[in-house]
Amino acid sequence: KAGVTQTPRYLIKTRGQQVTLSCSPISGHRSVSWYQQTPGQGLQFLFEYFSETQRNKGNFPGRFSGRQFSNSRSEMNVSTLELGDSALYLCASSSQLAGGGNQETQYFGPGTRLLVL
Amino acid sequence: DQQVKQNSPSLSVQEGRISILNCDYTNSMFDYFLWYKKYPAEGPTFLISISSIKDKNEDGRFTVFLNKSAKHLSLHIVPSQPGDSAVYFCAASGYYGGSQGNLIFGKGTKLSVKP
Repeated sequence: KAGVTQTPRYLIKTRGQQVTLSCSPISGHRSVSWYQQTPGQGLQFLFEYFSETQRNKGNFPGRFSGRQFSNSRSEMNVSTLELGDSALYLCASSSQLAGGGNQETQYFGPGTRLLVL
Repeated sequence: DQQVKQNSPSLSVQEGRISILNCDYTNSMFDYFLWYKKYPAEGPTFLISISSIKDKNEDGRFTVFLNKSAKHLSLHIVPSQPGDSAVYFCAASGYYGGSQGNLIFGKGTKLSVKP
């Protein structure tokens, strides 16, 4: 099976712009989670989508949003970019066959490196 | 407040010896724990996991031990190889209050295995 793919891999934007990142989960996986990794804060949970619905959201401002499509592909959007949004954005997928429960391994993509100037 | 802590930012081990990476957690609702390995500019790679109903899980050179009473888990790598050099993250999850898909990560331990 192909792994989790993320596009683009690298992105440079300027403050005030918006950005959309894309994630394709492992085939058959229905849950997609997004994380932000920065040197200071480590890996932090942004949100999780299952069957096109956001089930859980981390402690990030409303400028961070996402969605999931019927084929389980997901996008995240960051509006009004700030310098502090520079980070590695990681997408992870899990099968969540039962639709609930947490004991499912999440598999990560390579990430999108975003630099805000 | 950090719910998952990896108190050693770095660890250096000789090739062939055992590497022991430690992780402590505070939330008693966590019931699933995972270890990931990460190289710079790449996504974390899943290594091994353990459910709270077990105290040990083994996969090849990797063994994870869980001590629920101490809220402590450890990853043992035996024997250590230079290719194991990477940052290792401990992560935890629990099914509580709509927490699906939410992994809580430690800050990571950088392992260096010297030939």
